[in-house]
Amino acid sequence: QKEVEQNSGPLSVPEGAIASLNCTYSDRGSQSFFWYRQYSGKSPELIMFIYSNGDKEDGRFTAQLNKASQYVSLLIRDSQPSDSATYLCAVGADRGSTLGRLYFGRGTQLTVWP
Amino acid sequence: SQTIHQWPATLVQPVGSPLSLECTVEGTSNPNLYWYRQAAGRGLQLLFYSVGIGQISSEVPQNLSASRPQDRQFILSSKKLLLSDSGFYLCAWSVQGLLSNEQFFGPGTRLTVL
Repeated sequence: QKEVEQNSGPLSVPEGAIASLNCTYSDRGSQSFFWYRQYSGKSPELIMFIYSNGDKEDGRFTAQLNKASQYVSLLIRDSQPSDSATYLCAVGADRGSTLGRLYFGRGTQLTVWP
Repeated sequence: SQTIHQWPATLVQPVGSPLSLECTVEGTSNPNLYWYRQAAGRGLQLLFYSVGIGQISSEVPQNLSASRPQDRQFILSSKKLLLSDSGFYLCAWSVQGLLSNEQFFGPGTRLTVL
């Protein structure tokens, strides 16, 4: 069974701060990693993906991957109240018959207060 | 651009009644298709996925079934609903191919079984 673990939170940060969301995974062979944002009552929306070790930046978002430690994180700089949502970490099953499916963590609820 | 539709948006059904949820994708061909359920306070549970017409893989035993009668149509069904079937049902699609695991979700169907 492939496990994806996230801090359950809730995580609360003030507006303008950096929010740090963390995720660990059990399958050392995983090659693709995703962050989704889910507003209350809505469906998940893909915001970042990363395949290589290191950092990947997109606007205020930075995804960080460390395959040796089986750890992926999402940093949100200059957090805004509109960033308040649940963030889901997902790991791709890149081997064998499960190719194409994702394993999701339970999500971390983020609140950014003004 | 690609668009994914789900209907109905909300549904209230009595225990023991049948269910049919529909998902269609526009703007792409031969996608992978997925059905997920998200119960209150729980993570995303993969129910079924399909790599082509008539090809369905089931992740967990349950009273639900799925069908893919057309390339871009995915249907989730049940003959008799249980109370435990309540939840937020999400359809997703992805492009077939190695490391093409980004999944894009539809707006979802919120099902309440009474």
